[in-house]
Amino acid sequence: EDQVTQSPEALRLQEGESSSLNCSYTVSGLRGLFWYRQDPGKGPEFLFTLYSAGEEKEKERLKATLTKKESFLHITAPKPEDSATYLCAVVDGNKLVFGAGTILRVKS
Amino acid sequence: GAVVSQHPSWVICKSGTSVKIECRSLDFQATTMFWYRQFPKQSLMLMATSNEGSKATYEQGVEKDKFLINHASLTLSTLTVTSAHPEDSSFYICSARDLRGYETQYFGPGTRLLVL
Repeated sequence: EDQVTQSPEALRLQEGESSSLNCSYTVSGLRGLFWYRQDPGKGPEFLFTLYSAGEEKEKERLKATLTKKESFLHITAPKPEDSATYLCAVVDGNKLVFGAGTILRVKS
Repeated sequence: GAVVSQHPSWVICKSGTSVKIECRSLDFQATTMFWYRQFPKQSLMLMATSNEGSKATYEQGVEKDKFLINHASLTLSTLTVTSAHPEDSSFYICSARDLRGYETQYFGPGTRLLVL
């Protein structure tokens, strides 16, 4: 069975302190790895889709990268508004399998 | 683009009543829609997958007679919680996958259900 593991579970950063979130996965034949952002009481917001090792995508202060075993979400100079839970997911058949998420708190 | 709406955003009902939640893809057509449930501080739990014009596929442990799903068109799916009980109180989120075949799911804002 495909598995997605995210680390750390929680991360506290000072404003401007860059860091990375990790998503490791086990899947036979990756058909897509997804990053979402979820704010409390809201549905997940789509950030990125990555399909093959070596692929990178950027959006504002976020950059997602993919290897054959894991993906990283790099956050450069974060701001308090980047505080959220970040979810990683991979395709399994006709559905997505989600990791438990990383709770990010950025303090000013 | 890729906007999904849900209605209502909040619902409070008495035990034993039924509640219907609507999920709409506003600017794209969705062959497949998904219904998730999320408990506090937990990740998303897939309840069922629905394809337009066919019966939904339920995940193991999800009662299909309690959680009725209808996917009547390429832009609308509904989830009806029948004879709701307090243990059904949760955050329900739908998602939709674009007709053009990409794997990305776009999520609605969620519906908070409280059963008294």
